[in-house]
Amino acid sequence: AQSVTQPDIHITVSEGASLELRCNYSYGATPYLFWYVQSPGQGLQLLLKYFSGDTLVQGIKGFEAEFKRSQSSFNLRKPSVHWSDAAEYFCAVVPGAGSYQLTFGKGTKLSVIP
Amino acid sequence: GAGVSQSPRYKVAKRGQDVALRCDPISGHVSLFWYQQALGQGPEFLTYFQNEAQLDKSGLPSDRFFAERPEGSVSTLKIQRTQQEDSAVYLCASSLRDRAGVAEAFFGQGTRLTVV
Repeated sequence: AQSVTQPDIHITVSEGASLELRCNYSYGATPYLFWYVQSPGQGLQLLLKYFSGDTLVQGIKGFEAEFKRSQSSFNLRKPSVHWSDAAEYFCAVVPGAGSYQLTFGKGTKLSVIP
Repeated sequence: GAGVSQSPRYKVAKRGQDVALRCDPISGHVSLFWYQQALGQGPEFLTYFQNEAQLDKSGLPSDRFFAERPEGSVSTLKIQRTQQEDSAVYLCASSLRDRAGVAEAFFGQGTRLTVV
């Protein structure tokens, strides 16, 4: 069965420190990959997406993610975290072109300490 | 409106009560999706509309769940005879394009349903 795994339920980082959130997927082929952020009481906001091409993808708010086919991973990174980045982060996939059912991981809650 | 609007934002229902959750997508958006997000979980797909046509309802958990989008704009998700396991945040998303437009979908803030 297709699945998305976010191994870290909760991560705490200091403001200004670097961040990496992990995401692994289980699909037969390379899916389309997404990272979303959800602040308390808010809907999901798309940070970035990968369909094909350059495996390092730049997104909004200074985030980037790297697709590694050999590891079936799509980890999210930010070089310097701001207090406003505290939120829940979801990795999601669709199987490929023409697909529309997003399959989400369980999310990683990010806390930022001053 | 500027974004996807959902109402009510919060709903408390007694077990066995029927509820209706509304989604106002961005004007002109063709695709509309409903997701269910249980506490501590990621959202799970419920159903997909392209204009007024419900093309996929494979994620609806039971026949107590019903969704409609009669004029291809506003959508309503109805849950009959609510049960405690229905407690979740229900998210609506819309996209300008057809099914491939999921990548450009905008999500609403959700309706938090609590069944007591």
